Amino acid sequence: KAGVTQTPRYLIKTRGQQVTLSCSPISGHRSVSWYQQTPGQGLQFLFEYFSETQRNKGNFPGRFSGRQFSNSRSEMNVSTLELGDSALYLCASSWTSGGAGGELFFGEGSRLTVL
Amino acid sequence: AQTVTQSQPEMSVQEAETVTLSCTYDTSESDYYLFWYKQPPSRQMILVIRQEAYKQQNATENRFSVNFQKAAKSFSLKISDSQLGDAAMYFCAYRSADGNQFYFGTGTSLTVIP
Repeated sequence: KAGVTQTPRYLIKTRGQQVTLSCSPISGHRSVSWYQQTPGQGLQFLFEYFSETQRNKGNFPGRFSGRQFSNSRSEMNVSTLELGDSALYLCASSWTSGGAGGELFFGEGSRLTVL
Repeated sequence: AQTVTQSQPEMSVQEAETVTLSCTYDTSESDYYLFWYKQPPSRQMILVIRQEAYKQQNATENRFSVNFQKAAKSFSLKISDSQLGDAAMYFCAYRSADGNQFYFGTGTSLTVIP
């Protein structure tokens, strides 16, 4: 079974631009979560989507948005990029949203550099 | 909001020795899950071990075991017979029983010395 796939793996943008990251979850998984990972901050929760609905949202500005499609694939978008948005963006999928079990399966991440 | 604290940014261990990584968390909930994830350099994060808060027995997965102290809100990871492949960043994480938002610590970078 294929794992969580994130594209692109690496990208460089300049301040003010926008970026779209894509995530394909493990087949059968309906929950997709996004995390921002920066040195010293660990992983910060961005949002979770389950069956095309945003279930939960972290404490990030409105420049960060996401969506999920009917095939469970998800995209996240960051508009008006700032230098501080440079980070590794991790996507994780799980077959449930809450409840028993529910470990996250992570992709390799998309490393965004903002110049 | 729940918080997870890993007070050891870096740890090192001799190959074949045992090392313990510390994690504490803060919550008012009684039912939740705790996890240790491993992130090797430039590779994806994988689950090492999971503990359900309602279970008093400490979880064990081969060379990996936890010491779960619910009253103290402590969840340490013990790695026995350390191997070179154990070198990675280790993250402690908390998840509520009824939600899917994970709270992660800032990580502990483990070096294994041959």
